[in-house]
Amino acid sequence: GNSVTQMEGPVTLSEEAFLTINCTYTATGYPSLFWYVQYPGEGLQLLLKATKADDKGSNKGFEATYRKETTSFHLEKGSVQVSDSAVYFCALSDIGTASKLTFGTGTRLQVTL
Amino acid sequence: NAGVTQTPKFRILKIGQSMTLQCAQDMNHNYMYWYRQDPGMGLKLIYYSVGAGITDKGEVPNGYNVSRSTTEDFPLRLELAAPSQTSVYFCASSRDRGRDTEAFFGQGTRLTVV
Repeated sequence: GNSVTQMEGPVTLSEEAFLTINCTYTATGYPSLFWYVQYPGEGLQLLLKATKADDKGSNKGFEATYRKETTSFHLEKGSVQVSDSAVYFCALSDIGTASKLTFGTGTRLQVTL
Repeated sequence: NAGVTQTPKFRILKIGQSMTLQCAQDMNHNYMYWYRQDPGMGLKLIYYSVGAGITDKGEVPNGYNVSRSTTEDFPLRLELAAPSQTSVYFCASSRDRGRDTEAFFGQGTRLTVV
């Protein structure tokens, strides 16, 4: 079956630090990969996605590259802000799954001044 | 734009009670989903629907029921609440079944069963 593994949090960084959140996946088919973000008190919202190998998704300064050879989709940002404090979920959607998502456990990011 | 609306936001239930979590979307999406989020865990799919009148089980359907009489609404029913159902519940919708389709989530319902 499909699964997603994320690095455990919480991750605590100072503002302007570099962020990496690791994500690896196992899939029976050829999935699309997503990062969703959950700000405090809110539902999840799509941050970025990639649909095929070597695609790079990007949004709001965040980036992630679909690496089929290492089955990874690591999230990066060069300079985090306090407003980036949230929980980040890596997820995949496989062919024939009616867009059902398989999620990782989530990584909480706390950015301090 | 309202998007996906869930009610209530918070609820405390006693063991054995029943309740319905409401979910409505105004984007005319055919696909709708119910997930639960337990502490330290990812979201798990409870039930999903590919259109009005069609529902199917997800990964963790036991103890829940759903119906989809309209495109807009997808309520989740708990018949006999148990402490194991204490969780945060998210409803989501998507436009189509493409594997690259974005899902839109509601704000969640935090349910505690005591």
